[in-house]
Amino acid sequence: ETGVTQSPTHLIKTRGQQVTLRCSSQSGHNTVSWYQQALGQGPQFIFQYYREEENGRGNFPPRFSGLQFPNYSSELNVNALELDDSALYLCASSIEGPDSGAPYNEQFFGPGTRLTVL
Amino acid sequence: GENVEQHPSTLSVQEGDSAVIKCTYSDSASNYFPWYKQELGKRPQLIIDIRSNVGEKKDQRIAVTLNKTAKHFSLHITETQPEDSAVYFCAAKDAGKSTFGDGTTLTVKP
Repeated sequence: ETGVTQSPTHLIKTRGQQVTLRCSSQSGHNTVSWYQQALGQGPQFIFQYYREEENGRGNFPPRFSGLQFPNYSSELNVNALELDDSALYLCASSIEGPDSGAPYNEQFFGPGTRLTVL
Repeated sequence: GENVEQHPSTLSVQEGDSAVIKCTYSDSASNYFPWYKQELGKRPQLIIDIRSNVGEKKDQRIAVTLNKTAKHFSLHITETQPEDSAVYFCAAKDAGKSTFGDGTTLTVKP
């Protein structure tokens, strides 16, 4: 069983650019959630993907978008980068839905991507 | 939307003492409440969780209590050890959305 992985580990971009972050979910997991964690704060929920569909979204503007692929890996895309987008971006995978055996299940976090916007 | 408040923001205890961290939530629809430990530069790791149909759960030195009526839940760590030093986050989850508290920095002094 492999854990959650993310790429790249670090990224430096300039204001106005676009970025794509990637997440491979843990084997057997069908759900990926993305979080933004600014320094000294708790993770802020961006959105969740369940079986390739977005099924929950936090208070982030539309320039934050995502995808989930048939193998349940996921991408987070951020357009028109702003200085305040500098943060650690975490993804977490879990098993959700009627086949999971429980209403909600443990999320396993990846190591994160540190994004710096200059 | 959901709002989770976590207190205290910092907590310092002597080794062997107990530590208690409290969280309140606003959305009565939330029904899953995990607690995470995050060490510096590392990913959050689940240490214990509780569902809304349970009032208390214990795992060795760690316990969580939930009061649905008052909309608050607490983490209790007994016999603290220096390796318990970290940032602890509570969270509340409803359907497809999770909301985290701002974290508590726990320092256990040897």
